[in-house]
Amino acid sequence: GNSVTQMEGPVTLSEEAFLTINCTYTATGYPSLFWYVQYPGEGLQLLLKATKADDKGSNKGFEATYRKETTSFHLEKGSVQVSDSAVYFCALSENFNKFYFGSGTKLNVKP
Amino acid sequence: GAGVSQSPRYKVAKRGQDVALRCDPISGHVSLFWYQQALGQGPEFLTYFQNEAQLDKSGLPSDRFFAERPEGSVSTLKIQRTQQEDSAVYLCASSLGLAGGYEQYFGPGTRLTVT
Repeated sequence: GNSVTQMEGPVTLSEEAFLTINCTYTATGYPSLFWYVQYPGEGLQLLLKATKADDKGSNKGFEATYRKETTSFHLEKGSVQVSDSAVYFCALSENFNKFYFGSGTKLNVKP
Repeated sequence: GAGVSQSPRYKVAKRGQDVALRCDPISGHVSLFWYQQALGQGPEFLTYFQNEAQLDKSGLPSDRFFAERPEGSVSTLKIQRTQQEDSAVYLCASSLGLAGGYEQYFGPGTRLTVT
């Protein structure tokens, strides 16, 4: 079946530190991969996506590369800001009709 | 423009009561999704509509859960004879659909507490 596993949080970093949030997946076919973000008090928002192997999704300084050989889609950012504090969810979908989410990783960025 | 709205935002129900949760998707969005999010977990898929057709309900946890979207716009998720394990945040999302794009726009959720 399909599933997504994320590193457990919370992750606490100082401003301008490098961020990596690990995400691995299991899928029966060839899924598209997503990162969603939930800022405090807000709904989930799509952060970035990749639809095939070796694609790199990027947005707001965040990047993730679809690695089929390691079934991974790790989220990275070179220099985090306090405003990046949020919960990040990795997700996959094979047909855009059914999405599977990881359990979320909370990021705290301290000034 | 207006996003996805859900009502009520908070609902407390006594065990055994029936509840109805409403979702107003973004106007013109063909696809509509319901998710259940337990505390500290990610959203879990419940069901999916394309217009008024419920194409996938494989995630509904029991026959006490029922969803409808009779006119292809507003959707209602109904839970009959609520149990404590139903306590969760229920999220609704909509998208333009395959013809227009698959990005899902999420509502703020309804937090259901069953006592």
